Amino acid sequence: EVQLLQSGGNLVQPGGSLRLSCVASEFTFSDYAMTWVRQAPGKGLEWVSTISASGHRTYHADSVKGRFTISRDNSKDTLYLQMMSLRAEDTAVYYCAPHMYDFWGQGTLVSVSS
Amino acid sequence: QAGLTQPPSVSKDLRQTATLTCTGNSNNVGYQGAAWLQQHQGHPPKLVFHRNNYRPSGISERFSASRSENTASLTITGLQPEDEADYYCSAWDSSLNAWVFGGGTKLTVL
Repeated sequence: EVQLLQSGGNLVQPGGSLRLSCVASEFTFSDYAMTWVRQAPGKGLEWVSTISASGHRTYHADSVKGRFTISRDNSKDTLYLQMMSLRAEDTAVYYCAPHMYDFWGQGTLVSVSS
Repeated sequence: QAGLTQPPSVSKDLRQTATLTCTGNSNNVGYQGAAWLQQHQGHPPKLVFHRNNYRPSGISERFSASRSENTASLTITGLQPEDEADYYCSAWDSSLNAWVFGGGTKLTVL
């Protein structure tokens, strides 16, 4: 069964850092561009970042540009989101998914609060 | 990034037909169409119609999608209780190099 297993969410203070991981199984991870999407409590979905299948091209939403970095390790079938200078408004459940949203990880909660 | 426009809520009776709309512009919906996602409370989203205009395996044939210029539509026929959920559209914006989402439509099945 195709699966995306996420980890790394936590409670962090404003200004802090966190790295999210998304491990893929039962599909050829290196063939897929991948995306992070987040959902603040009670709110809609918001695109965060996308990375090409090779990892050579990355795209970030204006709200996270310069603070978040998407990356991948195709040898480990793993997608990452490095988050720095975290703000209260980054509090959300973060999901990973292939570029075309075919299937989704279970989500991981990031809470930014003092 | 500017978002796509969806009505906040739609209510329909059991076994009726619901049509959800999603309006963007020529750089996103009008460019390569929109994907449709269903989300039940407390669960991750699920793709119910692919941007490339096909229904993923396992999705009921009651779900169909169409596009007219810059507006995408998702039609659900024979509404069932399990169809009650939030529905989001999303499209790649070629001018922003970003995915844009609609605000979501809460579908209530009466």
